Amino acid sequence: ETGVTQTPRHLVMGMTNKKSLKCEQHLGHNAMYWYKQSAKKPLELMFVYNFKEQTENNSVPSRFSPECPNSSHLFLHLHTLQPEDSALYLCASSQDLVSYNEQFFGPGTRLTVL
Amino acid sequence: ILNVEQSPQSLHVQEGDSTNFTCSFPSSNFYALHWYRWETAKSPEALFVMTLNGDEKKKGRISATLNTKEGYSYLYIKGSQPEDSATYLCAHTGTASKLTFGTGTRLQVTL
Repeated sequence: ETGVTQTPRHLVMGMTNKKSLKCEQHLGHNAMYWYKQSAKKPLELMFVYNFKEQTENNSVPSRFSPECPNSSHLFLHLHTLQPEDSALYLCASSQDLVSYNEQFFGPGTRLTVL
Repeated sequence: ILNVEQSPQSLHVQEGDSTNFTCSFPSSNFYALHWYRWETAKSPEALFVMTLNGDEKKKGRISATLNTKEGYSYLYIKGSQPEDSATYLCAHTGTASKLTFGTGTRLQVTL
């Protein structure tokens, strides 16, 4: 157990659906992240939040909408996704944004878009 | 080097063998180099974070070295065990908050 939980673990959705991914960390960390891993590609940073404020949007399409209501919770709202958005979505947290802080990852949500 | 590159992509060794992997990264604008271990169906888990040229870190049978001037890091596993089977990821930070990952080295250790 890393102290970071994600729900659901698996999600299948149609292109017209709206769904949300949830991440919760029990570590008292201030920074939270969303990553995407597509097949045969490296983990790709999507969004960074620090003290609930978004500090990085890595050119992510607007059909992905993050929300961070407090330092312990992070959501990724999904709407009108494309089949190429099928991937593993990982959430992570770290004490703060300092580069030498290790990140603690959740188990991921495996998303399939039909 | 513009991105993070890891080699080999995959590796198959027998129990008891020692092995090592390479991570290459941009040597300019360096902040930190992270190594993570990712077992199938589990979460990636941090092994080491290194920041200084010449850093060497060790955790049990696993160790890592860092050369920031030439832009590479080595991960060593001594006496591999089946439980070492996992994907080993390295990640470079060229800015304070953004980790850039390599595609990983997938290690399989058999009896």
